[in-house]
Amino acid sequence: AQRVTQPEKLLSVFKGAPVELKCNYSYSGSPELFWYVQYSRQRLQLLLRHISRESIKGFTADLNKGETSFHLKKPFAQEEDSAMYYCALKGTSYGKLTFGQGTILTVHP
Amino acid sequence: DGGITQSPKYLFRKEGQNVTLSCEQNLNHDAMYWYRQDPGQGLRLIYYSQIVNDFQKGDIAEGYSVSREKKESFPLTVTSAQKNPTAFYLCASSPRTANYLNEQFFGPGTRLTVL
Repeated sequence: AQRVTQPEKLLSVFKGAPVELKCNYSYSGSPELFWYVQYSRQRLQLLLRHISRESIKGFTADLNKGETSFHLKKPFAQEEDSAMYYCALKGTSYGKLTFGQGTILTVHP
Repeated sequence: DGGITQSPKYLFRKEGQNVTLSCEQNLNHDAMYWYRQDPGQGLRLIYYSQIVNDFQKGDIAEGYSVSREKKESFPLTVTSAQKNPTAFYLCASSPRTANYLNEQFFGPGTRLTVL
């Protein structure tokens, strides 16, 4: 079975502060991991995927297989980063994603 | 703004009634998905379809049914057997090709309220 856990339902930081959204997964094989974001009044959309090792909007995420984690990080948070963030895992079933519970990030001015 | 459309945006239903949520995509994607979004529970997969005329149950399929008669369309019926149907429903699609890195594209959602 595959599972994704995001331990923080709510996360608040001030503008310019570093932010880290935690994601832990449980999966016996080699996972593909993603971060999706949902801004207010917008659709859920892909933020980044671990396989691309990319940085989007200043966010990065490193897959740590030893700790089974895929934490999302940004060194200097901006107000426009306020949104709901979901960590997701793709295991064996083609295309099927398992999502975490989501973390609401609020960046205060 | 093409891509994936869902209708209606808001839907009200009386207890005991079936209701069908529409999902259409013009992205030429083979795979389509239905999720339910509840506060504190994230997105949970209801049904998914990898190809026309084929679909599989997700994690919470009880009380729901789907059909996939056309590539572009994947309607979801919430039946009276669904015990707690009030929720936000999201439809998504993705290319079937493995090389496409499995990104899913989401619709705007339908909020269903059972009165």
